[in-house]
Amino acid sequence: GAGVSQSPSNKVTEKGKDVELRCDPISGHTALYWYRQRLGQGLEFLIYFQGNSAPDKSGLPSDRFSAERTGESVSTLTIQRTQQEDSAVYLCASSLARGRYNEQFFGPGTRLTVL
Amino acid sequence: AQKITQTQPGMFVQEKEAVTLDCTYDTSDPSYGLFWYKQPSSGEMIFLIYQGSYDQQNATEGRYSLNFQKARKSANLVISASQLGDSAMYFCAMRVGGAGSYQLTFGKGTKLSVIP
Repeated sequence: GAGVSQSPSNKVTEKGKDVELRCDPISGHTALYWYRQRLGQGLEFLIYFQGNSAPDKSGLPSDRFSAERTGESVSTLTIQRTQQEDSAVYLCASSLARGRYNEQFFGPGTRLTVL
Repeated sequence: AQKITQTQPGMFVQEKEAVTLDCTYDTSDPSYGLFWYKQPSSGEMIFLIYQGSYDQQNATEGRYSLNFQKARKSANLVISASQLGDSAMYFCAMRVGGAGSYQLTFGKGTKLSVIP
């Protein structure tokens, strides 16, 4: 079956512009996660959605970052007034609420470059 | 706070040899799970293996095994019979808490290069 997909794969933007990143989770996965990966670093948790529950936004670095998800489908991560330090790969993952290990399945990421 | 430490920024291994990638963790919660992910140059994170804190046996998945030493808080990944396709970044991650927990804390990764 289809895995997690993300679009665009690459995004180059100018400082101060807004960007929107999209994630399509695996069908049937109720949980969805966004992570940020800076060059040479591990993944930083950003936000978590589980079904219709209130999302866990504890990892969002500033109020310029926001994310939405409608039901158990597509999610968008929006970064307003982008800064150069926002340059990173943004990874989306999805999982079952109760899997064997509840392991997260990752998409290929969106590489964001802010000039 | 939870923390994952991977002390090897880069490792080299000869094809067909075994290699061990180190991971130590820190948590005060008795219930946790440890994961290893592979990230090839394509960027996608691929789940490899899982070890639960209450599991009695070390986890194995094909050529991957996890050397879990609870008292030392280490969860090293062992790859046997290395292949050229094993060249990638490897991340150790931890999820703390029981059923319903979800947040993963990642280490900084180890870059493995397999030499023909």
